[in-house]
Formats: sequence, structure tokens, C-alpha cells
Amino acid sequence: QQQVKQSPQSLIVQKGGISIINCAYENTAFDYFPWYQQFPGKGPALLIAIRPDVSEKKEGRFTISFNKSAKQFSLHIMDSQPGDSATYFCAATIGGTSYGKLTFGQGTILTVHP
Amino acid sequence: EAQVTQNPRYLITVTGKKLTVTCSQNMNHEYMSWYRQDPGLGLRQIYYSMNVEVTDKGDVPEGYKVSRKEKRNFPLILESPSPNQTSLYFCASSLSSMRGYTFGSGTRLTVV
Repeated sequence: QQQVKQSPQSLIVQKGGISIINCAYENTAFDYFPWYQQFPGKGPALLIAIRPDVSEKKEGRFTISFNKSAKQFSLHIMDSQPGDSATYFCAATIGGTSYGKLTFGQGTILTVHP
Repeated sequence: EAQVTQNPRYLITVTGKKLTVTCSQNMNHEYMSWYRQDPGLGLRQIYYSMNVEVTDKGDVPEGYKVSRKEKRNFPLILESPSPNQTSLYFCASSLSSMRGYTFGSGTRLTVV
């Protein structure tokens, strides 16, 4: 079963706009929520991550917003650039001894037009 | 350079012919994992390992085997490949739950 649901499947944004990708999870035991960025022909790379004890984390133009009660989290890309065009995956896992099991969302293909 | 190395990058094989995809990391990471990536399905975990000789099933383990005899290596074995195992495979490793995974460049497998 899909424990992390990601939307939209694809997203087109103009340069300078805001890109928003949403994820929802079911397992309340999840306690680590990373986002990965993947360029064509490459493996995913860790972009930013959050733990549920904070509601927001910002790194440069990338921000994760986390809503524990709604079991949702989202990635916001401010001032989107053509170089941000990639596939983005949200993920979730349980820390401690169960950390190895990482569940990904279905992915969002982001295209930023110049 | 810190990295996860997978080999081969591309592989075409026939149904039933056993194959192994190798994975090696040079970062002394404890955690290693194998994923397959299919359009519309995202990344699905096949197997993962928390340390030497400690492995566990992910979400789609059927038809695959793994072993972790050394900390740096985590090979993926397909004993009898079938066409539904045609996919893009990624190996990944991680130091801890606070650091996220480092992924290899992928292995594109086609089973005919």
C-alpha cells in the first residue's frame, strides 16, 4: 500500500514563481521526512529534511512546511529557476532501529519555464 | 570522493539468467538499501541493511536477494529474472537517520 501520497504528478511554473509540492502520510510513527531532487540520468540527492517537532524548515529558496495534525507536509520552492527543473520525491521513515525502511512518494516532475 | 558506485550502469539479459548488480560505498555508512524506480510508481524499496549480516525486506522484495558480508558492499541478486523486473535500480547508503541517503547513479536493467 502507498503510505506516502504525493501531488501533483507534474508541475509547470514560470521563472520566478513559487513551486509547491504536497505529500500526505498515513503512518503516525514516521518521524523523519526528507525531500529528494533527481535530475535526468542521476540518482536522487537529498535536498532538505524535517522532523515533526518543527512546523517549518528553510534552506535558501527551499522550505518544508509540516502539519502534524493533518499528516501532511509540503515543499515550497521560492523564485523558481530553470535549473530547478527536476523530479522531486518526498519520503518518510521511522528513526532508530527501523530507520533503514524509507518510503517514497510517487514523485513530481517540475518544469520551470524561462 | 565520497560516493556510492553501482555496476553495471546498463544491462540487458534474458529471462531466467541469474545476474548480480554490485554496489559499493566508501563512506563507512552502516545503512544500505536497494530501490527500483518505475514511471508513476516512484521509488520502491526492495531490501535494506542496517549493518553487516543484518538485512530486511522492503516493499517489493519478491524475486530479489541481497547479502551484506562486508560493510562497504551490498550486491543485489536476481536468481531468475523476469520481464517485470525490467526497471531502473538504485543503491543508496546512509550514516544515520539524521543524514539522509546518498544514491548511486543507477542501473538500467532490461529483461527480455
